[in-house]
Amino acid sequence: GENVEQHPSTLSVQEGDSAVIKCTYSDSASNYFPWYKQELGKRPQLIIDIRSNVGEKKDQRIAVTLNKTAKHFSLHITETQPEDSAVYFCAASRYGGSQGNLIFGKGTKLSVKP
Amino acid sequence: GAVVSQHPSRVICKSGTSVKIECRSLDFQATTMFWYRQFPKQSLMLMATSNEGSKATYEQGVEKDKFLINHASLTLSTLTVTSAHPEDSSFYICSARDMRTGELFFGEGSRLTVL
Repeated sequence: GENVEQHPSTLSVQEGDSAVIKCTYSDSASNYFPWYKQELGKRPQLIIDIRSNVGEKKDQRIAVTLNKTAKHFSLHITETQPEDSAVYFCAASRYGGSQGNLIFGKGTKLSVKP
Repeated sequence: GAVVSQHPSRVICKSGTSVKIECRSLDFQATTMFWYRQFPKQSLMLMATSNEGSKATYEQGVEKDKFLINHASLTLSTLTVTSAHPEDSSFYICSARDMRTGELFFGEGSRLTVL
């Protein structure tokens, strides 16, 4: 089955700096890769996703890149703000996200210091 | 955006009792819902996939007789933790897939504490 590895487990940056979180996956059939942000005690919120037919996707300060050959994908947050502090999870699915389940990484706790 | 409501948000029960958690999609229909368990500072671990009108599919290592899942309608799935023990204390989160768009939405989570 699919296995998703996520690094680093914790990340601390200064406000305004960039943050990068990386994930690798094992199942070459996976074709949908969402990223979720979870604040303490709250539900995960989808912040961006990418499908296997796209190499990069950007939404304001957030971008995701995908390298299918290497089976890894990354989340990039630029101009970080204190409200970006949260736990971020990557996930992978082999069914395009429209069915089947998501396999999650272990999460990265991002702290943005003012 | 679409809303998934989970109830109760917090529950404390005595060891040996059963607890039911509800997951409702409020403004969309979901043939598939998922139940996850999350320990403090850890990731979301998929427990089972709940399919409307059929039996749930459980992940390896999850006891189906302990974690009963019922998905009787297109907007409601329930998870019942039977004969709860302190080690069942955890944060349980559901997600529901909008059958029209395929998007996945998470519930708010339910924190179970077994004394």
